[in-house]
Order: sequence, then C-alpha cells, then structure tokens
Amino acid sequence: GAGVSQSPSNKVTEKGKDVELRCDPISGHTALYWYRQSLGQGLEFLIYFQGNSAPDKSGLPSDRFSAERTGGSVSTLTIQRTQQEDSAVYLCASSLGATQETQYFGPGTRLLVL
Amino acid sequence: GENVGLHLPTLSVQEGDNSIINCAYSNSASDYFIWYKQESGKGPQFIIDIRSNMDKRQGQRVTVLLNKTVKHLSLQIAATQPGDSAVYFCAENKRADYKLSFGAGTTVTVRA
Repeated sequence: GAGVSQSPSNKVTEKGKDVELRCDPISGHTALYWYRQSLGQGLEFLIYFQGNSAPDKSGLPSDRFSAERTGGSVSTLTIQRTQQEDSAVYLCASSLGATQETQYFGPGTRLLVL
Repeated sequence: GENVGLHLPTLSVQEGDNSIINCAYSNSASDYFIWYKQESGKGPQFIIDIRSNMDKRQGQRVTVLLNKTVKHLSLQIAATQPGDSAVYFCAENKRADYKLSFGAGTTVTVRA
C-alpha cells in the first residue's frame, strides 16, 4: 500500500521567505508527527497530531514554525521568515494510534535557505 | 564488525560478515525501542522493535537485544550485504508517550 508521502522533495528558498511543507500520512493512521533532521544528526521532534485532540507543539523551535492538520489527514508545516539555520530535512511520520505504535516515515523535504 | 564501548558513528564491515550496532539509551523509563535504517536521500525505514518485557527479538536477518540493566540496545545483522549500507538509528519511547527520542546514528559501510 501507499506509504507516507511528502512534498516538495526539495525546496530552496531565500532567507526571510515563508515556506509550506506538506505531508500525506498513511490512510487510516490517526497519529501524525513532524521531525527535523539537520545534516549528520539524529531526528528532532517538532509536533504531534492525534485525531481531533489539540496538537503537541512542544518541539517547535520558535514561533516562526506552525503546523496544521486538516480533516484528520493531510498536514502542512509552515516556516515563516526562514533563516539559514532552518536548513534541514523535514520528516513526517504517521502511526495507527498514539503511544508506542510503529511510526512510518516519509521521504522528507530537504529545505535549503540561502 | 561491531562498534563497541562508547557510541561510534561509523562501522565498516566485510560483505558476508555479521554486523553489530550498539546503542546506549538514556531514559530508564523507556520501555519501547525501535531500530530504523536510513539510506542516503530517504526517510528512516522501520527495521525491528522490542518492548521492555523482552530481551531478544528476531526478524529476517536481524536480531535486537535489550539489556535494561545497563540500558543498552544492539542490532545484529547476519550476513551483511551491500544493501545494508546505511545510517542506523536507535529510538526509545516511554509508556504513555508518543515522542521518539533518537540516537545520533551509526553509519554502516559494507566492503565488497
């Protein structure tokens, strides 16, 4: 079956511009996660959505970052006024339920801020 | 090939040999552990998981060992193949939580 998909696969933007990254989770998965992976590093948790519950935004690094999930499916991560330190791979994952369910990752969006 | 002692970021192994990738986890409350494989330019791919009520779990060519006493996790790959070349991450999770905490990763290179 189809896995998690993300778009765009690559994004180059200029410092100060806004960007939107999209994630389509696996059909039927109620939980959705965003992570960030800087070059040569592990994954850093950003935000979590579960069903209709309020999202856990505790991992967002600044108020320039926001995310939404419409209709319990597709999610968009928005970075406003991008900075060079925002350059990273942004990974989305989904799981069947909430706690201790296997998280399946998409291919990521590689963001480069010039 | 094996990375032993303190976490080492790279492991070079001869094709056909067994690989052992080690991971020290930090949170004694963690009770669910996962290994992911990440190939260049791709997202992490689930390999195998283990819960804290087990100390060993086997999959296809892979075995995960968990030692809760010393908070140590290992991934063994049998008969390593060129397609096993990737970065391997261990991740931990504690009960009633959903966040995964990832290690820094070990880069495995398979020599022909």
